[in-house]
Amino acid sequence: GDSVTQMEGPVTLSEEAFLTINCTYTATGYPSLFWYVQYPGEGLQLLLKATKADDKGSNKGFEATYRKETTSFHLEKGSVQVSDSAVYFCALFPRNSGNTPLVFGKGTRLSVIA
Amino acid sequence: KAGVTQTPRYLIKTRGQQVTLSCSPISGHRSVSWYQQTPGQGLQFLFEYFSETQRNKGNFPGRFSGRQFSNSRSEMNVSTLELGDSALYLCASSSGLMDASTDTQYFGPGTRLTVL
Repeated sequence: GDSVTQMEGPVTLSEEAFLTINCTYTATGYPSLFWYVQYPGEGLQLLLKATKADDKGSNKGFEATYRKETTSFHLEKGSVQVSDSAVYFCALFPRNSGNTPLVFGKGTRLSVIA
Repeated sequence: KAGVTQTPRYLIKTRGQQVTLSCSPISGHRSVSWYQQTPGQGLQFLFEYFSETQRNKGNFPGRFSGRQFSNSRSEMNVSTLELGDSALYLCASSSGLMDASTDTQYFGPGTRLTVL
C-alpha cells in the first residue's frame, strides 16, 4: 500500500542554519504531497503542498519540490528560526484514492536553538 | 473564513465512561475526517464522513463511532473508555470531492483526551 517515510528525528539546529528534512513515498500513480507542521500543544497546520511532478510548494521560507524520479518531497529552509521548532509531517493523498485518506509519515521533530 | 473548530479542547474521563467530541468544518466543506494521535502510534485514521455518510473507516474497534449532521458538523463518540484511548483527537475538513489536485485537508486544534 501507499506509504511515507521521513527521516527520524529529533533534528537540532542552531538559528540561521540550513534545514533539510527528507521524505520519500511509495504510491500507485502520482499522489498529491503535503507538509504539515504541528507546534507544541496545537493541531496540524498545512505548510505547503504540490500536486504534480516538478511542482514546488513554498510557504514561510520553506520549500519542497515534487520529484517523481526519486519519489521524494524533501523539505528545506535556508535559515531556520527558533520559532520553527515543531514537528513536521510529510503526507500524501493518493491520486486514485477512491476513499483512501491521507497517508502520513511518522513526523520529524525539529528543535532550533538560539 | 473561519477554520476548523473542535470542542472541547481538553477532557478528562475515567475508564468505562463514554465521551463525545465535536468538530465543525470550514464553511462549504462536506468532508470531515477524524484521526487519533499518540506518541507511540503517530497519526492514525479513524473514519471519514461525507454528506452524512461514513465513507471510509480505519482499523479501530467498534467502541469508536461517529456521525455527521446535515450542516456537516461531525461528532465522534468513544464508549467504554480504556487507558489506551488517551490521545489527541484531530479532525480535518475538506471539500471531499476526492480530486487529488485540489482537495486539501485542514485540521482543527484537536481535543486532548485523558483517561484515568
